[in-house]
Parts: sequence; C-alpha cells; structure tokens
Amino acid sequence: DGGITQSPKYLFRKEGQNVTLSCEQNLNHDAMYWYRQDPGQGLRLIYYSQIVNDFQKGDIAEGYSVSREKKESFPLTVTSAQKNPTAFYLCASRFSGPRQPQHFGDGTRLSIL
Amino acid sequence: AQTVTQSQPEMSVQEAETVTLSCTYDTSESDYYLFWYKQPPSRQMILVIRQEAYKQQNATENRFSVNFQKAAKSFSLKISDSQLGDAAMYFCAYRSANTGNQFYFGTGTSLTVIP
Repeated sequence: DGGITQSPKYLFRKEGQNVTLSCEQNLNHDAMYWYRQDPGQGLRLIYYSQIVNDFQKGDIAEGYSVSREKKESFPLTVTSAQKNPTAFYLCASRFSGPRQPQHFGDGTRLSIL
Repeated sequence: AQTVTQSQPEMSVQEAETVTLSCTYDTSESDYYLFWYKQPPSRQMILVIRQEAYKQQNATENRFSVNFQKAAKSFSLKISDSQLGDAAMYFCAYRSANTGNQFYFGTGTSLTVIP
C-alpha cells in the first residue's frame, strides 16, 4: 500500500540529546514537509523540501535540521538547541502542482524525559 | 505570511443535524487554494475538501460542502447529516497558487457529535 510512514510513534529525549524522526513515503511525491502541532496552535511549518538535496526553512526552524538525500525520505533531527521540543510532529508530502493537497503520516509524539 | 483564522475553538452538533464551521483568511492574492482537513482522535490528517479560488462554484464532497465567499475571504465548511465518525478537529488551510509551496493552517475547530 502506498503511504507516508513516520517512525517511531512515540519518542523520548533526554536533556542535551539530539533525536531523529523518520519520514518515508512511497507515493512518488515531489515535496515533503515537517510540521509541529501544539495544543491550540494548529500546525506550524518547520521545514519543507521541493526536490532532493534542497530544502527551505519554515516559520519555526530554529533547533531543527533536515536532509533530503532521497526522494522518498525526509528525516527531521530535533537538536539540543530546541529547548521546548515536546509536541506532536507531522510529516506530509505532495505532488508538485498548485492544486495538489498534502497527504499526512500518522505523526510522532516527542516528549522530554 | 498568510493568516488563517478559525474563530470557533469548539462546536457541537446533534447526530443527523447540520453544522457549519467558519474559516477566514487574509491575503492580497487573487489565485489560491483552500482546503479543509479532518484530524480524528487517531491524529492522522485527512483531506476533506478543497476549493480553487478561481472557481465560483462551491466544492462539494458527499455530505461536506463549502461556502466560499471570495470577496469576504471566507471559507466555511458545512457538514450535513452529521455522523458520530465526523467527530474530530477540523483545520482550514490556505496555499498560494503562485508564491512558494507553503500551506498555512488555522488553529482548528474541535467538533463533537452528540448521539
């Protein structure tokens, strides 16, 4: 089945530790996105990538990093510089083209130990 | 950045009744796309309906329809014959047709369906 797979479903981070959230899609989508979701704040864009080896910062990129070495994969690293990382993280992807919607993975919940 | 506003944090509807969720947005552009997404307790975001700004006709998908008022920059979602499975967070989203690939989301409306 085609889809977007995020792993792990739950992740715990210790102080000073970097953690990486995985996002893989087999939909042959061109663009991929990472969002952070906090209660009452909707979805906020962290990073997005339109093509391999290229990505742009979103509204809240500080403390996060990404890579796009393959079309199918867009991992997000939450670094120790992100002081408040506890949130629900959603990965999305879409075909290029203005009317194409985003499709979402099931999300990863990150918590601080 | 574009602003999308959902002024109703919570709404409730009786099963089989109709409910309308509000969304307004701020833009100076004339060509754009609007979306409604549903996020049930499972947390997966599901596309409900989309509307192209250049189309005057309101989009419909089965029990879901929109009231798109371009001049008023309003994009409300109407759910008819509400079902228990409609209970979820609903997010309105905006995307420019011309500038960039970003989607801008509202803060969501939590819909409760009362049996």
